[in-house]
Amino acid sequence: SQQGEEDPQALSIQEGENATMNCSYKTSINNLQWYRQNSGRGLVHLILIRSNEREKHSGRLRVTLDTSKKSSSLLITASRAADTASYFCATDASGNTGKLIFGQGTTLQVKP
Amino acid sequence: EPEVTQTPSHQVTQMGQEVILRCVPISNHLYFYWYRQILGQKVEFLVSFYNNEISEKSEIFDDQFSVERPDGSNFTLKIRSTKLEDSAMYFCASSEYPRDTQYFGPGTRLTVL
Repeated sequence: SQQGEEDPQALSIQEGENATMNCSYKTSINNLQWYRQNSGRGLVHLILIRSNEREKHSGRLRVTLDTSKKSSSLLITASRAADTASYFCATDASGNTGKLIFGQGTTLQVKP
Repeated sequence: EPEVTQTPSHQVTQMGQEVILRCVPISNHLYFYWYRQILGQKVEFLVSFYNNEISEKSEIFDDQFSVERPDGSNFTLKIRSTKLEDSAMYFCASSEYPRDTQYFGPGTRLTVL
């Protein structure tokens, strides 16, 4: 598998349900960042979690990081139709250059 | 809220032509990046830049590519002789520190005919 693989590739849920997306990676990291991308648009930063952190929250978003399993998850609670987008994890495994390696992303569809 | 801006939003060019993509990073940020995303594919790192030097570049960033910070606000990506396979969305990003949140611009869609 490649650095930063998301699972599932696609997810379809009803408004109000929770959505969980997973990301796995292969090498040691400095941090892991989650981004959202609406179709054909730019990348919106959601959360950064550092390698010494296990969980972070931001509004309806909850991110966990398990460095022993080299995996992270993004939970969106009480989803809304506006959450429909692609979600990417990006890992920073660089020395000090900030290079991010992105996964293929999870396409989330939230049905009203 | 400060944001990264990019111009133009869409650039169409003929194969073999030179293009310059422009970015204005967030004003107090010192680390700058270019990424690209070919349609339907994942975002790929091109180059990182700090203190007027390239910090790291990918295999994609060959001799046809160059970056420059011509003044205190702009950060540019130049492709000297475009190829069909350079068609992609190009994103500029900036961060205050190297291991910090990277803020992305809206992207420039480059179409090479």
